[in-house]
Amino acid sequence: QKEVEQDPGPLSVPEGAIVSLNCTYSNSAFQYFMWYRQYSRKGPELLMYTYSSGNKEDGRFTAQVDKSSKYISLFIRDSQPSDSATYLCAMRERDNYGQNFVFGPGTRLSVLP
Amino acid sequence: DTGVSQDPRHKITKRGQNVTFRCDPISEHNRLYWYRQTLGQGPEFLTYFQNEAQLEKSRLLSDRFSAERPKGSFSTLEIQRTEQGDSAMYLCASSLNGEAFFGQGTRLTVV
Repeated sequence: QKEVEQDPGPLSVPEGAIVSLNCTYSNSAFQYFMWYRQYSRKGPELLMYTYSSGNKEDGRFTAQVDKSSKYISLFIRDSQPSDSATYLCAMRERDNYGQNFVFGPGTRLSVLP
Repeated sequence: DTGVSQDPRHKITKRGQNVTFRCDPISEHNRLYWYRQTLGQGPEFLTYFQNEAQLEKSRLLSDRFSAERPKGSFSTLEIQRTEQGDSAMYLCASSLNGEAFFGQGTRLTVV
């Protein structure tokens, strides 16, 4: 079992739909949680960053972390064709433990006009 | 542009040649990471620096790979005697607190 699991998709939705992207993980030491957006042949772009449990909202994006279930989610409201990309979740342990970021395999999202 | 900068963006090399990539992190960031990404996969950790000290290396980092970060500023990743399996996107990231910011990557093709 991989440390971070993510449905690879691809996921296709119509423009304006609400998109839900999810990751599960096995390491209870993860404390920092991130979502990245990656366009083809580009580097990952940080979208959302959450420390420990809870929700965070930024515009059309909402990130949720449920540490008790080892489950994180990214919601995209009013999805746009420009949201078409691969979405990567990433996690890191708390300071003074493992310092590297562990990524899921990514979910490919297509938003159709 | 004050983001993470990587050079070159693309590199095509013949099998057996050595290649070197450069990463310039965000200036105040003390942590610097190298990752490798192949098509359809998430980035895989290679190595991590805090200032000039290399603190972690993945088992993926064979003895053909070496990374440096002199004076805790820019970093270089060298691959010696390249193999076709080294073809991938090499990503650099820097961090100050909890989150990491990535560069645009160097795409390596070994022919």
